[in-house]
Amino acid sequence: DAKTTQPPSMDCAEGRAANLPCNHSTISGNEYVYWYRQIHSQGPQYIIHGLKNNETNEMASLIITEDRKSSTLILPHATLRDTAVYYCIVTPPWAGGGADGLTFGKGTHLIIQP
Amino acid sequence: EAQVTQNPRYLITVTGKKLTVTCSQNMNHEYMSWYRQDPGLGLRQIYYSMNVEVTDKGDVPEGYKVSRKEKRNFPLILESPSPNQTSLYFCASRPGGNYGYTFGSGTRLTVV
Repeated sequence: DAKTTQPPSMDCAEGRAANLPCNHSTISGNEYVYWYRQIHSQGPQYIIHGLKNNETNEMASLIITEDRKSSTLILPHATLRDTAVYYCIVTPPWAGGGADGLTFGKGTHLIIQP
Repeated sequence: EAQVTQNPRYLITVTGKKLTVTCSQNMNHEYMSWYRQDPGLGLRQIYYSMNVEVTDKGDVPEGYKVSRKEKRNFPLILESPSPNQTSLYFCASRPGGNYGYTFGSGTRLTVV
């Protein structure tokens, strides 16, 4: 599986956009980028995923560079409840490979400051 | 409400006493998975299942068993728990295709 590199921690002011970077320089052409977050010791929460195009949903936007070697998760208007550990994960294709492939690293601890 | 339910939430047990942590999902998801989370080591996959009667090992399967006799249930079995299995455990499920996992609230297990 391709490995990811994320900063261990980041701060962001409440109400501002939080931009969380992720490097995945060894990503394969058919691997997806997934983002999850974990608030304290709760179960992780799926946020968004993408292959090559930018994606947006009600929670966040995902920007993937053209060479797919890095991506940025954007929380457009961060609130205190967005304080969490954010995981960037690169996975092999879901079908046919036989392996589930979802591996969590250390993530980025995002702290939203009031 | 669509959810993954784990029980119990907290459990303290003694070394060697067999235990089962239950996991149930009400979303008709094909895939289910178990993770453990330890300080400094992050989330590590124990076992996963791609459908009924289809299971496979994750990264840290030693000391654990699973079964998938019904689509909704995926219990985690510790035949002879040891203190190094003290951890926070999460069950998760997802549908087929490129969809994310829905996680349960966790089970905090202490083996003394």
